[in-house]
Amino acid sequence: KNEVEQSPQNLTAQEGEFITINCSYSVGISALHWLQQHPGGGIVSLFMLSSGKKKHGRLIATINIQEKHSSLHITASHPRDSAVYICAAGYQKVTFGTGTKLQVIP
Amino acid sequence: EAQVTQNPRYLITVTGKKLTVTCSQNMNHEYMSWYRQDPGLGLRQIYYSMNVEVTDKGDVPEGYKVSRKEKRNFPLILESPSPNQTSLYFCASSLKGTGVVYEQYFGPGTRLTVT
Repeated sequence: KNEVEQSPQNLTAQEGEFITINCSYSVGISALHWLQQHPGGGIVSLFMLSSGKKKHGRLIATINIQEKHSSLHITASHPRDSAVYICAAGYQKVTFGTGTKLQVIP
Repeated sequence: EAQVTQNPRYLITVTGKKLTVTCSQNMNHEYMSWYRQDPGLGLRQIYYSMNVEVTDKGDVPEGYKVSRKEKRNFPLILESPSPNQTSLYFCASSLKGTGVVYEQYFGPGTRLTVT
């Protein structure tokens, strides 16, 4: 059983919708990553969290260490947000979720 | 430009022929790591390094070797590749902090096919 679970696995949204992707983990960690992977394969780090909340533009990430849960929110979604979003738990040793494939339709 | 480079980007090889995938970063990062990505399995960590001469196993180290003789380089060595090592490989690096967490920078990936 994967120690990092993401939901949903697939998500289709209309442009402009508010999107939430969830990540739960069973291991004790010091940090959690949110990554974005576009078709073609390149991976970009969106956030690195150890507590609380971070915001970059339309993206917001939160983490609750006690509940072992993190969420990635996208406000005012746009077709260019279409990608696979991956959470990864841990700082040195890293365990990944299987990803959420997001498609935003114009 | 700050970047992580990997070479080669694409490689087709045969079972048993030793190969090395190079990874280099120009950001003076202490931490470097190798991952493989497979359909249905996602990303999995192979090896990581916290600094020169300090390496440790990730979740799937079998069949791989690494070395960290210089801070900027972290090559991945497949001594005797097998078809189950056909995968997309990513190298990543980050700063290492005490009480501070830093994002990882990923290389562009190396697509390896072992026949």
